[in-house]
Amino acid sequence: DTAVSQTPKYLVTQMGNDKSIKCEQNLGHDTMYWYKQDSKKFLKIMFSYNNKELIINETVPNRFSPKSPDKAHLNLHINSLELGDSAVYFCASSLFAGTTALGETQYFGPGTRLLVL
Amino acid sequence: QKEVEQNSGPLSVPEGAIASLNCTYSDRGSQSFFWYRQYSGKSPELIMFIYSNGDKEDGRFTAQLNKASQYVSLLIRDSQPSDSATYLCAVNIRGTASKLTFGTGTRLQVTL
Repeated sequence: DTAVSQTPKYLVTQMGNDKSIKCEQNLGHDTMYWYKQDSKKFLKIMFSYNNKELIINETVPNRFSPKSPDKAHLNLHINSLELGDSAVYFCASSLFAGTTALGETQYFGPGTRLLVL
Repeated sequence: QKEVEQNSGPLSVPEGAIASLNCTYSDRGSQSFFWYRQYSGKSPELIMFIYSNGDKEDGRFTAQLNKASQYVSLLIRDSQPSDSATYLCAVNIRGTASKLTFGTGTRLQVTL
């Protein structure tokens, strides 16, 4: 009965490879996110989708491409992996608060630990 | 100036004491504030949120918000060794949909 799940949990790969991370939530939420947590533990949002529509796109290299086939799934594809991409990637979900409402609680998945060699 | 600032710590408190974790934010349009706890190697989990000025209590946790001073804090009463973790302050700014901006976290150590 996992609320937000991610696969894989660990990913070790060579520079230049292309890889994907998958996320699924069964909370009935309509908004999903990708965050990157670096080695200094700083957690920064990358993307957010609401009902399959991209609503937040931070300054992220275009090697990163999110895809949301439906509101319960959000995948992240990374092309031409670089050493600096090594981090923990967290997926999260919430109900959409809207631009004028108060923020909704976000629930995080277990994380995908990516190591680029 | 960082959007959300926290002292990285570690903050060391003895078991049974009150731990006080602080967070300041730069955008006066910030409207909702969240405290997450993250154990080493785990994902962030929500402790509590606060929207209005004043105090909000939930069990051993109290969140305090002062919008005039752009300051939010988390008090943990009767600290336990199991409270040892990194505490992340997160802020939602009005008009930014569901975007949360996180601080770098404060590492709390509760000693026996």
